[in-house]
Amino acid sequence: GAVVSQHPSWVICKSGTSVKIECRSLDFQATTMFWYRQFPKQSLMLMATSNEGSKATYEQGVEKDKFLINHASLTLSTLTVTSAHPEDSSFYICSAQLGGNTDTQYFGPGTRLTVL
Amino acid sequence: EDQVTQSPEALRLQEGESSSLNCSYTVSGLRGLFWYRQDPGKGPEFLFTLYSAGEEKEKERLKATLTKKESFLHITAPKPEDSATYLCAVQSNRDDKIIFGKGTRLHILP
Repeated sequence: GAVVSQHPSWVICKSGTSVKIECRSLDFQATTMFWYRQFPKQSLMLMATSNEGSKATYEQGVEKDKFLINHASLTLSTLTVTSAHPEDSSFYICSAQLGGNTDTQYFGPGTRLTVL
Repeated sequence: EDQVTQSPEALRLQEGESSSLNCSYTVSGLRGLFWYRQDPGKGPEFLFTLYSAGEEKEKERLKATLTKKESFLHITAPKPEDSATYLCAVQSNRDDKIIFGKGTRLHILP
């Protein structure tokens, strides 16, 4: 149980284009989903917290107009990197919180974004 | 400021050689401490959640323990397939954010 999927697993795009990454909780409903980015040999850095049906809460330093997050249902959150640039190249990982009495987050497999 | 420090940064062990990974934390009221395993190019895989000092949890060759200042992930008689980066994270009572350490890269030699 508690499986989270991400799509695509990797994407290469040209500078200036937009890329959408999907995060789905497959066997549970997640009222809260999180988006992280991870640079090589670095820790996961929280970008934003996404609650179903409401606006995402962004961490300090994360541009909300650049990283658009939509949490349209209890099983789906999307992250759109708008007008991507090479410095946006990174490993993007989502997680979903099971809710209830546990705060444990279950992570997706990640999406490797390379912007040329 | 909430902080998580993991040590060592990297660890190489022979197969069967037991050891422990350390996670030291500073947090204003611990809500939970989490251990994850991450393989290269993959998302973190959940291992354990610990909530209070003195708590212990086990799963196969792994055992996690918690004190008021740190957590240990003990690995008993590891196998090459245990090679991965092990991440520690804490969540404070003040907010819902989870802060990750940089991880320990564990390599088990056959």
